[in-house]
Amino acid sequence: AQKVTQAQTEISVVEKEDVTLDCVYETRDTTYYLFWYKQPPSGELVFLIRRNSFDEQNEISGRYSWNFQKSTSSFNFTITASQVVDSAVYFCALSEAKTGANSKLTFGKGITLSVRP
Amino acid sequence: NAGVTQTPKFRVLKTGQSMTLLCAQDMNHEYMYWYRQDPGMGLRLIHYSVGEGTTAKGEVPDGYNVSRLKKQNFLLGLESAAPSQTSVYFCARPDFPDEQYFGPGTRLTVT
Repeated sequence: AQKVTQAQTEISVVEKEDVTLDCVYETRDTTYYLFWYKQPPSGELVFLIRRNSFDEQNEISGRYSWNFQKSTSSFNFTITASQVVDSAVYFCALSEAKTGANSKLTFGKGITLSVRP
Repeated sequence: NAGVTQTPKFRVLKTGQSMTLLCAQDMNHEYMYWYRQDPGMGLRLIHYSVGEGTTAKGEVPDGYNVSRLKKQNFLLGLESAAPSQTSVYFCARPDFPDEQYFGPGTRLTVT
């Protein structure tokens, strides 16, 4: 069975601080996808990134970066120079890659990030 | 979130009442999903469909039924609502290349 653990439940930082959101996953599949979604206070789910199990390259997108390490089954998300607009709930998710987007997602419980001005 | 629409956006039910949540996609994807989100629990899969006329159980299917009579629509039914079904319900469809695209959600309260 697949499992995603987001051990941090709430994080509070001051604006401009860097913050890392941890994600640890479990799967028996050799091929899988990992995702991060953002849920701002307005409630919608916003896709941030997808990484497949064969691609361990770190990714950077503006102030966001992701570190994927298969050796530790982790897919951590770092926000550099956080801003108030980053305040949201962040979900890490896992799916089997047999059919790509047609696979069911297993979500972590989410991390509530509060960025104070 | 025009790609996936959910009706209604909010609803309050009394215990024992029934209702149907409608999800409609703007594409022609075979797969569609229903998730529920509860505080501190993340999103959990209720039911999903792999094509018109097909449905399958997810992680938390009890108390719900689904139907996929038309490819564009995926209905989630509560026959006899219970307070434990108070939740936010999200519908999703695949999005190129490998993501899932979520609707805006339906906030349901069962009193």
